[in-house]
Amino acid sequence: DIQMTQSPSSLSASVGDRVTITCQASQDISNYLNWYQQKPGKAPKVLIYDASNLETGVPSRFSGSGSGTDFSFTISSLQPEDIATYYCQQYDNLPFTFGQGTRLEIK
Amino acid sequence: QVQLQESGPGLVKPSQTLSLTCTVSGGSLSRGTYYWSWIRQPAGKGLEWIGRISTSGSTTNYNPSLKSRLTISVETSKKQFSLKLSSVTAADTAVYYCAREGVGAAPLKGAFDIWGQGTMVTVSS
Repeated sequence: DIQMTQSPSSLSASVGDRVTITCQASQDISNYLNWYQQKPGKAPKVLIYDASNLETGVPSRFSGSGSGTDFSFTISSLQPEDIATYYCQQYDNLPFTFGQGTRLEIK
Repeated sequence: QVQLQESGPGLVKPSQTLSLTCTVSGGSLSRGTYYWSWIRQPAGKGLEWIGRISTSGSTTNYNPSLKSRLTISVETSKKQFSLKLSSVTAADTAVYYCAREGVGAAPLKGAFDIWGQGTMVTVSS
């Protein structure tokens, strides 16, 4: 299985801050990576697909980059409604695997 | 707009079989290039992909960690796909989600773009 390692596992930031989460794959996955946001008690929601493409309707403050084994996810200006856990997910190889998640809190 | 809804028992005894169904509404299960997946999440933990089935049912892919206990099937006429996990233990306690995955020429290939709300399944005697 491809292991996806996210960091940090938790993050506290202030409204308006720029926030970056990283995701490292255990092998080259090209750009076959997606990012999800999960709010408490809710199903995950896809924000970024193919490493850098913004899903329709997702605010432009969210962005993704990277290829190969190293990826990043950025919120350019943190908003209160962005409090959630974020996951990366690879789809290069089966079984699909997710990162362990990054819990984002407001400072 | 396509919506997914999981259904099934919330409590299963150890060694028994966990059975869940996902019903597709607002659209056709058989239209478009999609696979239909199950994903689970133990309380306070991360997401684990369980397996998927093609619209026709001709292709299934299972997580090797669960493959020996797992069956995923589809009933296109009922707009449903199902999960059966046998010989369950407490480690199978989780919220179970069904989700749609784009494949082939579909947008968001490899991404789960539509999810059910999730159903909590507890394995306990």
